[in-house]
Amino acid sequence: GENVEQHPSTLSVQEGDSAVIKCTYSDSASNYFPWYKQELGKGPQLIIDIRSNVGEKKDQRIAVTLNKTAKHFSLHITETQPEDSAVYFCAAERLGGNEKLTFGTGTRLTIIP
Amino acid sequence: KAGVTQTPRYLIKTRGQQVTLSCSPISGHRSVSWYQQTPGQGLQFLFEYFSETQRNKGNFPGRFSGRQFSNSRSEMNVSTLELGDSALYLCAGRSEPTNEKLFFGSGTQLSVL
Repeated sequence: GENVEQHPSTLSVQEGDSAVIKCTYSDSASNYFPWYKQELGKGPQLIIDIRSNVGEKKDQRIAVTLNKTAKHFSLHITETQPEDSAVYFCAAERLGGNEKLTFGTGTRLTIIP
Repeated sequence: KAGVTQTPRYLIKTRGQQVTLSCSPISGHRSVSWYQQTPGQGLQFLFEYFSETQRNKGNFPGRFSGRQFSNSRSEMNVSTLELGDSALYLCAGRSEPTNEKLFFGSGTQLSVL
């Protein structure tokens, strides 16, 4: 089955700086890669996603890049703000097969004011 | 549109008891997935239902079961509770019509004493 590894497990950045979280996946058939943000006491919230036919996607301060050859994808957050502090999860899935998201282990991001 | 609703929010049970959790997806969404979240194992897939049929199942023992009703509401049951079943149980619905994006509820926090 699919295995997703995520690094780092914790990340602290100064407010205004950029944060990068990296994930690798094992199943070359995976074709959908979402990122989730989870705040304390809440369920994961989808913040951005990318399909395997796209190399990069951006939404305001958030961007995701995908390297299919190397089987890794990354989340980039620019101009970080205190409200970006949360746990972030990457995930991978083979759409059109047995739909089942496999999640990374999470990154606790702390923005230092 | 109302989001994914899970009840109850918190639950305390003792070993050996059984428990039923409820989930109502976003109106119009026919798919419901269940995940277990623990600090040690992260987010683990339990099962997915689509139009009242289970179409995918994770690697959990038979004590974990679920069902879906004609209005897409879903229930998850855990029998003969064990201490290790203490977790946040998350329900999610998939976007229509692409069945791509997964939207989570806030979860039910189950504590087994």
